[in-house]
Amino acid sequence: GEDVEQSLFLSVREGDSSVINCTYTDSSSTYLYWYKQEPGAGLQLLTYIFSNMDMKQDQRLTVLLNKKDKHLSLRIADTQTGDSAIYFCATGDKIIFGKGTRLHILP
Amino acid sequence: DAGVTQSPTHLIKTRGQQVTLRCSPISGHKSVSWYQQVLGQGPQFIFQYYEKEERGRGNFPDRFSARQFPNYSSELNVNALLLGDSALYLCASTQFSTGATNEKLFFGSGTQLSVL
Repeated sequence: GEDVEQSLFLSVREGDSSVINCTYTDSSSTYLYWYKQEPGAGLQLLTYIFSNMDMKQDQRLTVLLNKKDKHLSLRIADTQTGDSAIYFCATGDKIIFGKGTRLHILP
Repeated sequence: DAGVTQSPTHLIKTRGQQVTLRCSPISGHKSVSWYQQVLGQGPQFIFQYYEKEERGRGNFPDRFSARQFPNYSSELNVNALLLGDSALYLCASTQFSTGATNEKLFFGSGTQLSVL
């Protein structure tokens, strides 16, 4: 069946760039998504990329898509304490989520 | 405009009971999806409804059921509750009209269900 995999934890220093990686199996979807979840909250759509694009930049966020390797990444430039959250990669016909990457910001 | 609204926000039930969760989509959105998020895990797909018809079902037992009403709101029902049903239940809506295979989901804040 469809699967989305992510590393579970990432720790970066404030001001550095964060790179969160994801691999997926379903390559038929129109869009691939990144969602953000803060403690006690629902999921917020952070950004997305159309499946025929290689890269999308949105302010501090850069999404890279390698369709050949079925690899998606999210880069957050100049990481701030407010970026501390769990980040979910999602794709697929019914939108399947990875287990999420917890981003921890070091002072 | 209001986002996706869910009620109640928190619920405590005991094993064997039944529960109904409610969701109102964003105005203009015709599709509603339900997800279960167990602590420490990603959301797991339960159901998707479009125009009152079930469009997809995840790997959940028949104790889970849902329906969508003419105003596009939705209910999720869970019968014979088990301790393992304790989770955050998330509702999401989407327009489902652009022709994409998977349109953007917009989530509500969820209903936290605790089964004792």
